[in-house]
Amino acid sequence: SQKIEQNSEALNIQEGKTATLTCNYTNYSPAYLQWYRQDPGRGPVFLLLIRENEKEKRKERLKVTFDTTLKQSLFHITASQPADSATYLCAPLNTGFQKLVFGTGTRLLVSP
Amino acid sequence: NAGVTQTPKFQVLKTGQSMTLQCAQDMNHNSMYWYRQDPGMGLRLIYYSASEGTTDKGEVPNGYNVSRLNKREFSLRLESAAPSQTSVYFCATRGTGDLGGGFSGANVLTFGAGSRLTVL
Repeated sequence: SQKIEQNSEALNIQEGKTATLTCNYTNYSPAYLQWYRQDPGRGPVFLLLIRENEKEKRKERLKVTFDTTLKQSLFHITASQPADSATYLCAPLNTGFQKLVFGTGTRLLVSP
Repeated sequence: NAGVTQTPKFQVLKTGQSMTLQCAQDMNHNSMYWYRQDPGMGLRLIYYSASEGTTDKGEVPNGYNVSRLNKREFSLRLESAAPSQTSVYFCATRGTGDLGGGFSGANVLTFGAGSRLTVL
């Protein structure tokens, strides 16, 4: 069956460091992979999308990589700030998708 | 521009009671979704509607029914609530549009703020 794995343990890092979150998937051949941010008590908010033919995508301090051979996406936040503390969710998508399925998310805590 | 509006925000039910969660969007999107989110389980898809007049089951449809009333509205009904349905419910839409940051037509989801349901 299709499976999306994100580290369930919280990631604690110090302000200014780079946070790296991992998303592994099995039994998928996604054409895209999306990353969302979720703050407590709120709905997820879209951050970045990367296509299967793109190795890397950047947006300000965010960077996403997509390795279809390893079936893995890495999400990086450089120069992290306490305001980056949130849960980050990944969602691989097949072409022509209708059902968007999410990983369980990884909680990031950035301390001053 | 409200985006995706869910009502109610909070609800407490007794086992066996029924209720309907409402979702309305003003984004002119075709596809709408209902998810539930539980600690340690992440977001799980209950039902979705690819367009007005169609609905399909997601991962966890048992105990729920949905209605796509029109393009704007997608409701989720619990006919006989059970404690296992205690959760936070999110409605979302999918469609093209400018999401900022250089993205448009990117097939991303826009979520509502959520409805917290407790079944005693």
